[in-house]
Amino acid sequence: RKEVEQDPGPFNVPEGATVAFNCTYSNSASQSFFWYRQDCRKEPKLLMSVYSSGNEDGRFTAQLNRASQYISLLIRDSKLSDSATYLCVVSLSGNTPLVFGKGTRLSVIA
Amino acid sequence: DAGVIQSPRHEVTEMGQEVTLRCKPISGHDYLFWYRQTMMRGLELLIYFNNNVPIDDSGMPEDRFSAKMPNASFSNLKIQPSEPRDSAVYFCASSRRVFSGNTIYFGEGSWLTVV
Repeated sequence: RKEVEQDPGPFNVPEGATVAFNCTYSNSASQSFFWYRQDCRKEPKLLMSVYSSGNEDGRFTAQLNRASQYISLLIRDSKLSDSATYLCVVSLSGNTPLVFGKGTRLSVIA
Repeated sequence: DAGVIQSPRHEVTEMGQEVTLRCKPISGHDYLFWYRQTMMRGLELLIYFNNNVPIDDSGMPEDRFSAKMPNASFSNLKIQPSEPRDSAVYFCASSRRVFSGNTIYFGEGSWLTVV
């Protein structure tokens, strides 16, 4: 089983739609969780951290379910500019390297 | 502040040639990481350094790959001899002393094609 698994997509959604991505991780000892965004032919960049209580940043909401070992990202009111690959990222502790999922590709269509 | 700087941005080389990828981390960052990204395998950690010392190189695919960090402002990744299956994007990243996912910064990547 891979350490971090994501549905590769693509998710093709119209502007204004709500879309959700899930990610599962295999190591129950994982401590830190993040969503990164990667635009086509660009480097990954941090989108948001994921906290146990769930957190929101504008149109983006991230949630963590430790019991089921999954992380979710919800995007409301999708914009064309949200088109990208979203990478689920996990770390065992604050001093261990990040483990990346392969990413979920989102295309928002006008 | 300048970000992580990688060179070359693009390289096309013939099988069997030596490839050298270079990275300048952000000043003051104590950790440096080399990642490789392919469609099939996603983003994989190859090796990382702390204060110029290699900490974990278990992700280096085979002896053809080597990486060094002679000082705090430079690292290189070498592939010798290169093979077509080495074609990928190689990212260098750096982070501050207490590493966590919200303090790591990636360079723009080196796009390698081995023909």
